Amino acid sequence: EVQLVESGGGLVKPGGSLRLSCAASGFTFSSYSMNWVRQAPGKGLEWVSSISSSSSYIYYADSVKGRFTISRDNAKNSLYLQMNSLRAEDTAVYYCARDSPIVVLNYWGQGTLVTVSS
Amino acid sequence: DIVMTQTPLSLSVTPGQPASISCKSSQSLLHSDGKTYLYWYLQKPGQSPQLLIYEVSSRFSGVPDRFSGSGSGTDFTLKISRVEAEDVGVYYCMQGIHLRTFGQGTKVEIK
Repeated sequence: EVQLVESGGGLVKPGGSLRLSCAASGFTFSSYSMNWVRQAPGKGLEWVSSISSSSSYIYYADSVKGRFTISRDNAKNSLYLQMNSLRAEDTAVYYCARDSPIVVLNYWGQGTLVTVSS
Repeated sequence: DIVMTQTPLSLSVTPGQPASISCKSSQSLLHSDGKTYLYWYLQKPGQSPQLLIYEVSSRFSGVPDRFSGSGSGTDFTLKISRVEAEDVGVYYCMQGIHLRTFGQGTKVEIK
């Protein structure tokens, strides 16, 4: 069974940093592209970043480019999101989601809440 | 950037009745490989989103056949043939031809 478990969320001050993690199990992690998608309280979904299976291809939404860094450790079956220079508008539940060769975002974690507030 | 526009933003449906959601993209989602990268997701209350439809009309594993997707180019539709209570939630379309962009979401509730 595919499982994605996010962690690392919490309360951080504007301008601060946070590192999210996503622990994957139930599939060969190194074979799949992965993503971060976020959802601000009461709002819709916003794609944040994607990384290919071998980290060769990395993409970011304009809203986080230059501030967030996606990475992965295939030996540890883990996906990461380093978030720097955080702003109030980054407050959201952050989901880790897996792609497949044919479909995208077909498995999602339960999310971790990041709150940026002074 | 590709903008995805859904209508309506909310829908109240009697159980057993059909429902339809429209999604329009600002650019064609038809790729040179012949595939159209349009997806539909459902986020049930208190849950993570789940994939319903990929590449316009293909149902994901385990998705009931009362859900169907159609369309081409820039205009797409998700139809529920007979709405059930378990179908309540927010439906999102998403384009996957250039990065990823979601529509605003359509909230479906039961009358």
